[in-house]
Amino acid sequence: GAGVSQSPSNKVTEKGKDVELRCDPISGHTALYWYRQRLGQGLEFLIYFQGNSAPDKSGLPSDRFSAERTGESVSTLTIQRTQQEDSAVYLCASSHTLGASLVGELFFGEGSRLTVL
Amino acid sequence: ELKVEQNPLFLSMQEGKNYTIYCNYSTTSDRLYWYRQDPGKSLESLFVLLSNGAVKQEGRLMASLDTKARLSTLHITAAVHDLSATYFCAVDEEWGNDMRFGAGTRLTVKP
Repeated sequence: GAGVSQSPSNKVTEKGKDVELRCDPISGHTALYWYRQRLGQGLEFLIYFQGNSAPDKSGLPSDRFSAERTGESVSTLTIQRTQQEDSAVYLCASSHTLGASLVGELFFGEGSRLTVL
Repeated sequence: ELKVEQNPLFLSMQEGKNYTIYCNYSTTSDRLYWYRQDPGKSLESLFVLLSNGAVKQEGRLMASLDTKARLSTLHITAAVHDLSATYFCAVDEEWGNDMRFGAGTRLTVKP
């Protein structure tokens, strides 16, 4: 497809289980971001990937959170031993860059809504 | 650390009225973005402002950027119900690529 694709769109899990969220960015976009949005709240930066550079993991809230990206394509966000406070919508966005600089806005996926019971 | 502050966070206005949303940020940047989010939906880009003094307009919305004051405004002219949404500003730090978002302004336009 032409846009950013995320899966699953909805995930309900039990506390303590691991979950994996997937993001397929727009082809050719070297920059990829993960954000978390709790109900009625703003966007909380989690992690940023730029090409083959080391990712900026400064926003990951705990060591239960990790993310990987294969080259300049698919990314997965993994949450281990989920807690109820992890319930949120996880948004992925991608953008085009020129060298290391963004050249425009982010394009967002529809998000993965995670509910931890 | 880059901080982005929006105000107001909640805005209820009558149709036909004008209002301005403000976005302040804490570090040097000449790249600022405005996004719109409808309830239950993802974010879509509204404006990209890439230099001091940049002004962009689309319909009843106009965005401007003052990099010296580290301030962007989103001005709403003669509001209509369809503009009801949450509006986010975001800043791309000059020497990094952390795209940081404000908390959002939830706009409700009433008849």
